[in-house]
Amino acid sequence: GESVGLHLPTLSVQEGDNSIINCAYSNSASDYFIWYKQESGKGPQFIIDIRSNMDKRQGQRVTVLLNKTVKHLSLQIAATQPGDSAVYFCADPLGANNLFFGTGTRLTVIP
Amino acid sequence: DTGVSQDPRHKITKRGQNVTFRCDPISEHNRLYWYRQTLGQGPEFLTYFQNEAQLEKSRLLSDRFSAERPKGSFSTLEIQRTEQGDSAMYLCASSSASNYGYTFGSGTRLTVV
Repeated sequence: GESVGLHLPTLSVQEGDNSIINCAYSNSASDYFIWYKQESGKGPQFIIDIRSNMDKRQGQRVTVLLNKTVKHLSLQIAATQPGDSAVYFCADPLGANNLFFGTGTRLTVIP
Repeated sequence: DTGVSQDPRHKITKRGQNVTFRCDPISEHNRLYWYRQTLGQGPEFLTYFQNEAQLEKSRLLSDRFSAERPKGSFSTLEIQRTEQGDSAMYLCASSSASNYGYTFGSGTRLTVV
């Protein structure tokens, strides 16, 4: 069945270091992925997305890599800041009208 | 427009009572979604509206749950005869027709005691 999962439930990084959050998916037909950030007490916030015709997409301090061969994607955050502390989800649209979210990875930035 | 608004932010209710939540989406977004999120989990899809039409409902949306979007703008989610298992964060999101980059509200946290 469909699944979008994250390799680690928690990740702690030192402020200024780079963070890498991983996500595996099982549906070979999945062709679009979205990363969301959810801070405590708030709804998820769109960070970046990637389509399957791309291997890499860059935003401001964030990069998403997609490896279709092993059905894996990662979110890289450069120069991690305390404000990056949150739960990060990868999400996969199921059909046209809803998103399937993984469990999430809690990123803690150590000052 | 300040984004997606949800009201109330918190609701505590006794088991068996009915509750209703409201969502005001971004005005130019014609798609509106309800998700439920329990502690330590990702959001789970409940239902989707395009304009005033409810086009998709999850199996999670039991017959005690009903959602409406009467004028294609704000939406309400009602839970009848609440149960302790309904305790969760209820998230609303909206998007334009061709955009999966939903904008989520801050949610309504429901606690059933």
